[in-house]
Amino acid sequence: DSGVTQTPKHLITATGQRVTLRCSPRSGDLSVYWYQQSLDQGLQFLIQYYNGEERAKGNILERFSAQQFPDLHSELNLSSLELGDSALYFCASSVAGHTNTGELFFGEGSRLTVL
Amino acid sequence: SQQGEEDPQALSIQEGENATMNCSYKTSINNLQWYRQNSGRGLVHLILIRSNEREKHSGRLRVTLDTSKKSSSLLITASRAADTASYFCATDARTNAGKSTFGDGTTLTVKP
Repeated sequence: DSGVTQTPKHLITATGQRVTLRCSPRSGDLSVYWYQQSLDQGLQFLIQYYNGEERAKGNILERFSAQQFPDLHSELNLSSLELGDSALYFCASSVAGHTNTGELFFGEGSRLTVL
Repeated sequence: SQQGEEDPQALSIQEGENATMNCSYKTSINNLQWYRQNSGRGLVHLILIRSNEREKHSGRLRVTLDTSKKSSSLLITASRAADTASYFCATDARTNAGKSTFGDGTTLTVKP
């Protein structure tokens, strides 16, 4: 058990809909990262938050947004969903926030299926 | 494209044999990490090697780093069926503000 909790584990929805994925980092970790894993794109970095502030941005679509709350949990919002958004979405956390990322602790992921 | 690229994409060996996976990357890094992922599960951190280190060991794992060639290798000795998983390298580039960039992974199958 990594200590990172993600909900929901599975989610099936229709195109055009909006979903919210939630992540609780390990106790004491200030950084939260979101990754998308699909068969054709591999593991893609989406966005990082450190202590409530956006720290780094990757290949995150404009239809997607995220935030980190004062209690350090994070939410990833996906809107106007398309078939291609079907993927495993992982949250990871770490203590560090700067250039030395250090070890990432991954949750078990949220599997999103868009029909 | 991904910063790290693993080679081979897939590897199948017998239990007891050694497995070697390679990772190449493109830019200067602070550190390189290896992760393991069982099918459909979250990634688990295996080992981190810093840019000023050349070799590191952890149990049956041996990682090497050659910054001049921008490459790393992961060796799993005396493999077991339970080692069957996908293995990813992740690079923490100096210019990437703290994000780890993952390669496409090597799928290892260890046959009992």
